[in-house]
Amino acid sequence: AQSVSQHNHHVILSEAASLELGCNYSYGGTVNLFWYVQYPGQHLQLLLKYFSGDPLVKGIKGFEAEFIKSKFSFNLRKPSVQWSDTAEYFCAVNPYYGNNRLAFGKGNQVVVIP
Amino acid sequence: NAGVTQTPKFQVLKTGQSMTLQCAQDMNHNSMYWYRQDPGMGLRLIYYSASEGTTDKGEVPNGYNVSRLNKREFSLRLESAAPSQTSVYFCASSVGTSGGFDEQFFGPGTRLTVL
Repeated sequence: AQSVSQHNHHVILSEAASLELGCNYSYGGTVNLFWYVQYPGQHLQLLLKYFSGDPLVKGIKGFEAEFIKSKFSFNLRKPSVQWSDTAEYFCAVNPYYGNNRLAFGKGNQVVVIP
Repeated sequence: NAGVTQTPKFQVLKTGQSMTLQCAQDMNHNSMYWYRQDPGMGLRLIYYSASEGTTDKGEVPNGYNVSRLNKREFSLRLESAAPSQTSVYFCASSVGTSGGFDEQFFGPGTRLTVL
C-alpha cells in the first residue's frame, strides 16, 4: 500500500544536539511535501513545504528539509535543538496532484532535555 | 481572526449515542477537512470538502457523515458511536480547491471518548 513512513517514533536528545528526522514516501509521480509540528497543547502548524525548485528548503525556527527524489525522501534537520523544540513532528505528502488531500506519517515524538 | 474553531473541546459518549462535531473557519478558505489522530497512527483523513456543496471520502470514512453547511462550516456526525471512534478529531482548512500546494490550518481538536 502507498504510504508515508517516519522512523524512530520517539527521539530524546539534549539541547544543542543535532536533529534529523527521516521521511520516506511510496507514491510515484509528482508529489508535494510538508512537515508539520505540534507543540504541547497547541495546534498543528506548518514548518516548511516543498513543491519544486531547490531541493533544500528552509522553514521556521531554523528547520530545513532536503528532498531527494531518487530516494523518495524528505528528511527534516536542525543543527542545534532547543528545549522549545520538544514537539511531535509529522511528515505529510500530497500524492493526489489536482486535489488537496494529504497523507500523513505516524509522527516523531521529540523530547529535548535542557 | 479566530482561524479554525471547533466545538466541543471534550466529549464523552456511550456506545450507540450520536453527536455532531462542529467546525468553522473565518479565513474564507475553500477546502475543509476532518482528521482523526490516534497514538502512533498519525493523522488520518476522514472526509474532506474541496468547495461549498462538495464532500469526498478520505482514508477512514466508515461510521461518519459530514455536511458542508456553507463556506465557513463543516460538521462531522457520528450516528452510532463505537469505542473504536475514541480519538482526537481535528478540523482543518486551506485556501484553494485543488493543486495540493496549500498550507492547511488546523483547529484545536476535539477529544472524544466512547465508553
